Amino acid sequence: AQKVTQAQTEISVVEKEDVTLDCVYETRDTTYYLFWYKQPPSGELVFLIRRNSFDEQNEISGRYSWNFQKSTSSFNFTITASQVVDSAVYFCALSEATGGGSNYKLTFGKGTLLTVNP
Amino acid sequence: NAGVTQTPKFQVLKTGQSMTLQCAQDMNHEYMSWYRQDPGMGLRLIHYSVGAGITDQGEVPNGYNVSRSTTEDFPLRLLSAAPSQTSVYFCASSYLGRRDEQYFGPGTRLTVT
Repeated sequence: AQKVTQAQTEISVVEKEDVTLDCVYETRDTTYYLFWYKQPPSGELVFLIRRNSFDEQNEISGRYSWNFQKSTSSFNFTITASQVVDSAVYFCALSEATGGGSNYKLTFGKGTLLTVNP
Repeated sequence: NAGVTQTPKFQVLKTGQSMTLQCAQDMNHEYMSWYRQDPGMGLRLIHYSVGAGITDQGEVPNGYNVSRSTTEDFPLRLLSAAPSQTSVYFCASSYLGRRDEQYFGPGTRLTVT
């Protein structure tokens, strides 16, 4: 069965600090997809990134970067020079590729609440 | 494109009442699903559909029914609401076969008293 663990329940930082959100996953599939979603205080879910299991390249998008390591089953998310607007709950999610329609299911971690203080 | 829309945004029900949460998408997505979000639990899959006329159960289906008569709509029915169904409900949709992001609606906050 697939599982996603976000061990950090809450993180509090001061603006301009760098912060890394951890995500560890479990799956028996060799092909799978990993996602990060942001949920700001307004409540909607905002897609940030998708990564497939064959692409271990790290990705950078502005102040955001992602480190995917299959060897440790981790897909960590770093925000550089954090800002107050980054305050949100961040979810890591996993989708396996085999099994037909049921495996478009996203298995979410419990989320990490990030608070960026001015 | 309106994307994924959900109605209502907020709802309060008494135990035993029934209601339908509406979800619609205008992106011609084959796959649609319902999740519930509870504090400290992340999001959990309730039901999903891979096309009109095809639905299946997710991780927490008890107490909920769904149907998919059109590609666009995927309503979630609570037949006899219970306090344990107090939650935020999200509808999501995506294309099949492309493994792209799933597009989420804005959510419905349901309270059962």
